[in-house]
Amino acid sequence: NAGVTQTPKFRVLKTGQSMTLLCAQDMNHEYMYWYRQDPGMGLRLIHYSVGEGTTAKGEVPDGYNVSRLKKQNFLLGLESAAPSQTSVYFCASSSNPGASGANVLTFGAGSRLTVL
Amino acid sequence: ELKVEQNPLFLSMQEGKNYTIYCNYSTTSDRLYWYRQDPGKSLESLFVLLSNGAVKQEGRLMASLDTKARLSTLHITAAVHDLSATYFCAVDNFNKFYFGSGTKLNVKP
Repeated sequence: NAGVTQTPKFRVLKTGQSMTLLCAQDMNHEYMYWYRQDPGMGLRLIHYSVGEGTTAKGEVPDGYNVSRLKKQNFLLGLESAAPSQTSVYFCASSSNPGASGANVLTFGAGSRLTVL
Repeated sequence: ELKVEQNPLFLSMQEGKNYTIYCNYSTTSDRLYWYRQDPGKSLESLFVLLSNGAVKQEGRLMASLDTKARLSTLHITAAVHDLSATYFCAVDNFNKFYFGSGTKLNVKP
């Protein structure tokens, strides 16, 4: 059972280049999230999705776009990369908590992006 | 915007000692989670706290939640080196999760 898979794991970009990070989950989860992790700042939510075809902004959405055309995939795009987007990006997914209320996130292994 | 504050941010302790990590948050929520991250790795779930007064324990770690004080604690009993990691609390606000900055724990032999 793969869980949450992120590709690529590492990428170096030049300022102004574009790229897409792919997140795939095989747990039939409804919710998917993209976070960035920077030293001393914890994880900050970029965008999230509560189901196929839906997306919403998080805390730090500027400079990023997302799409969720299929339930199992959540793509994060950088249209014109900037050095400030150098970070480690984590994708996470969770099932609809329902009556139990527990909404535990399952994280991918992370993608380290460097923008020169 | 919801704020989540953890303290301390860094904690260096001797094996066998006890200590507590604090997590304060700025809005009403009765769902709080603790995660662990090893260096260079992803995050894994430790505890789920879903109501006021909830207490969960696993080995040398115990987490509690006081929703009225908007405070969760992670207590470490008789620390061992294997507990060295970064610990994050996260508040669930209508299925959007807000994380604290993390507490980097180093347990020295």
